[in-house]
This record gives sequence, C-alpha cells and structure tokens, in this order.
Amino acid sequence: DSGVTQTPKHLITATGQRVTLRCSPRSGDLSVYWYQQSLDQGLQFLIQYYNGEERAKGNILERFSAQQFPDLHSELNLSSLELGDSALYFCASSAPGGSEQYFGPGTRLTVT
Amino acid sequence: DQQVKQNSPSLSVQEGRISILNCDYTNSMFDYFLWYKKYPAEGPTFLISISSIKDKNEDGRFTVFLNKSAKHLSLHIVPSQPGDSAVYFCAASAISSYKLIFGSGTRLLVRP
Repeated sequence: DSGVTQTPKHLITATGQRVTLRCSPRSGDLSVYWYQQSLDQGLQFLIQYYNGEERAKGNILERFSAQQFPDLHSELNLSSLELGDSALYFCASSAPGGSEQYFGPGTRLTVT
Repeated sequence: DQQVKQNSPSLSVQEGRISILNCDYTNSMFDYFLWYKKYPAEGPTFLISISSIKDKNEDGRFTVFLNKSAKHLSLHIVPSQPGDSAVYFCAASAISSYKLIFGSGTRLLVRP
C-alpha cells in the first residue's frame, strides 16, 4: 500500500459525459501527479500540482482539467468523453524535494 | 517521439537465475532514473532509482546500472523469484522537471 488513494476504482460512462476522478496523496506529500495509461502503452504524464498550484503540464487535452484543494487532495475532471479516453488513470504523490513518486491503485475508466 | 524506450516487451527467466531488463533514453537532460514494478489491477510500485552522478545502485536483489555515454540503463534481479513476475517500467526525469517519462514496459515472467 503506497498510501495514495484513488476513487472510484472503476467508472463506466457514455460518450459525451463528464466524470471526476479523485486522489488523496500520502500524508505529508505536497505534489500530486496525474498519468494516463491507455491499452498496452506506458504511462503518459498529464499534469502536476504542488501545494495547490499547477506546476507542470504534459499531454493533457483541453477537455481535461485538474485542481488541488487546500487539504491537498486532487481531482481530475474529464469532459465531453470520447471512446479513446478509456484508460487507466493514475495519481501519484511525492514528498517535498523528493524525486520518487508513489502511485495510487488507479481508476479504470470505460467510455461506451 | 519516445524519449524512454524498453525494446523488449517480454522476458522469461528461470527461477533463481538473473533477470536483466534494459532501457534506453534519448534525452541527455535526464538526470534521474527510476524503475517501477506493476502487477495487474494495481498501481506502479517504486523499486529503485539512480542519479546520473552514479553508475550503480543496489538494493537487496535489485541493482540498477547506468551507462550515460550509451544512454542506457538496466535493472538486474538476482536471484529471480516467481513473485517478481510483473511488468517493469523504467522512467526518467530531467533536471528541474518533475514529470516522469515512462517507457512502455517489459513483462517479466519468472518460471518456477
């Protein structure tokens, strides 16, 4: 158990809908990262937040957005969903100054 | 453009023997490298890391070697155990960047 929690574990929704994925980092970690893993692919970095502020952006679509709240949990919002958005979405956190990222169990999103 | 490449999608090794997983990178700005292990339906688990100022780092049965001139790193597992069967990802980060760039993974099977 990495200490990073993600909810929900599974999500099935229809095209055009909007969903919110939630992540709670390890106690004491200020950074939260979001990654997407599509079928048979590696993890693609989406976005990073540090202590409530966006710090780095990767290959994140404009239909996707994220935020980190004062209690440091983070939410990833996916809207106007397409079939191709079906993937595993992982959240990770790291300690201040730490380079190792610790991953949550992921949310499997299926868009039908 | 794949900056981190794991060219072997799979590897099969006998229990007790050495497993060697390889990873190549193209970005000379990468200065920190990590290996993660991933079981099905779980998030990646951090295994071991190495800074670019070193060429070797050991942790129990796991050793990571870094050859900066060849832009190549490898993970050695000795002795291999059936419980090591998983997908292994290498990842890299660049100086003052926080995002991890992942390879596509190598599926290791350790046969009893």
